[in-house]
Order: sequence, then C-alpha cells, then structure tokens
Amino acid sequence: GNSVTQMEGPVTLSEEAFLTINCTYTATGYPSLFWYVQYPGEGLQLLLKATKADDKGSNKGFEATYRKETTSFHLEKGSVQVSDSAVYFCALRGQYNFNKFYFGSGTKLNVKP
Amino acid sequence: DVKVTQSSRYLVKRTGEKVFLECVQDMDHENMFWYRQDPGLGLRLIYFSYDVKMKEKGDIPEGYSVSREKKERFSLILESASTNQTSMYLCASRAGLGSYEQYFGPGTRLTVT
Repeated sequence: GNSVTQMEGPVTLSEEAFLTINCTYTATGYPSLFWYVQYPGEGLQLLLKATKADDKGSNKGFEATYRKETTSFHLEKGSVQVSDSAVYFCALRGQYNFNKFYFGSGTKLNVKP
Repeated sequence: DVKVTQSSRYLVKRTGEKVFLECVQDMDHENMFWYRQDPGLGLRLIYFSYDVKMKEKGDIPEGYSVSREKKERFSLILESASTNQTSMYLCASRAGLGSYEQYFGPGTRLTVT
C-alpha cells in the first residue's frame, strides 16, 4: 500500500541555518509528491509539489527533489527565517486514485532568532 | 483566492450528542474532503465527496457520516459523539481531474467530554 514516513520533530534551528526534513515513501506505480505547511492556527497550505521522477518542486526558498531510486522527497531550505516556524507535512497521491492523499505525521520546525 | 470556511474554530460537546461540522468552499470545486488530525498520526481521511450526493469512505469512517446536498457545502456528522473523537477536523476541497492542489479550511478543534 501507499504510505509516507517523515522525520520526527521538533526540529529547532537558529535563523539562517540550513534545513533538511527527511521524507520517504512507499507506493505502487508513479505517485505525485507534495509538501504542505501548517502555520499556527491555520489549515494546511500547499508548499510545493513534484509529479514525476527527478522533478524538483520549489517555492519560497524551499526545494524538494522526487527521487524514485531512493523513494525520497526531502525538503530543504538554505537559510531559514523565524517566519518559517510551522509544521511541515509530506504527502503522496497515488497514481490511480486522485482523491486519496497519504500524509506523513508532520514535523514541527522552530526557528529561533 | 480559494476560500474554505468551517463553521466553528472550537467546539465542546458531551458524550452521546449529535455533532455537525460544516464546511463551505467558494470555488465550485467538485471534490471535498474531511480529515482528522492527531499528534503523531498526521492527517487521516474520514470521507470524501466527488459530486453532490456522492460520497466515499476514507480510511477511518467508523462513527462518522457525511452529507453533501449542495456543491459548495460538505457536512461531517458524528451521530453519537465519543471521547475518542476529540480531535482537530480539517475540511479540504479540490477542483476536478488533473488538479493537484487541495485547499484546506482552518480546522475545527472538537473536544468531547
């Protein structure tokens, strides 16, 4: 079946530090992969996506590359800001059922000034 | 901008009560979803609807039902609330086939005492 595993948090970084949040997946076929962000008190927002192998999704300085050989979609940012403090969710949508998304458990990021 | 609104941000109900959670979207999306979000478990799909009066069970439908009488509105019903249904409930909507992004509401934090 389909599933997503992401690193446990919380992750605490100083401003301008480099961020990596690991995400690996299990899926049949060719899924699409997503990172969502949830700021305090809000719903989830799509941060970036990749729909096929070797695609790189990017937005707001965040990047993630769809690696089929390692079944991974790690989130990176070169220099985090306090405003990046949020919970980040890795998600997968299967190749055949467009309405089923599988979410990881979320990783809380705290960025200190 | 797509807007997904949920009727309450916080709700406190007693065990055995019938609970209605309402969700409205303003972008004429075909698909609507109800998730619950619990610490360490990420988001789990309860039910989704791909058209008016059409619904499908998600991964954890037990104890819940849904109603979609109009395209813009999707209701989650707890027929007899129990303490293990204390959770954050998130509604989302998505446009038709070919669309990747789900738009989330701000969530309803339900406490059942």
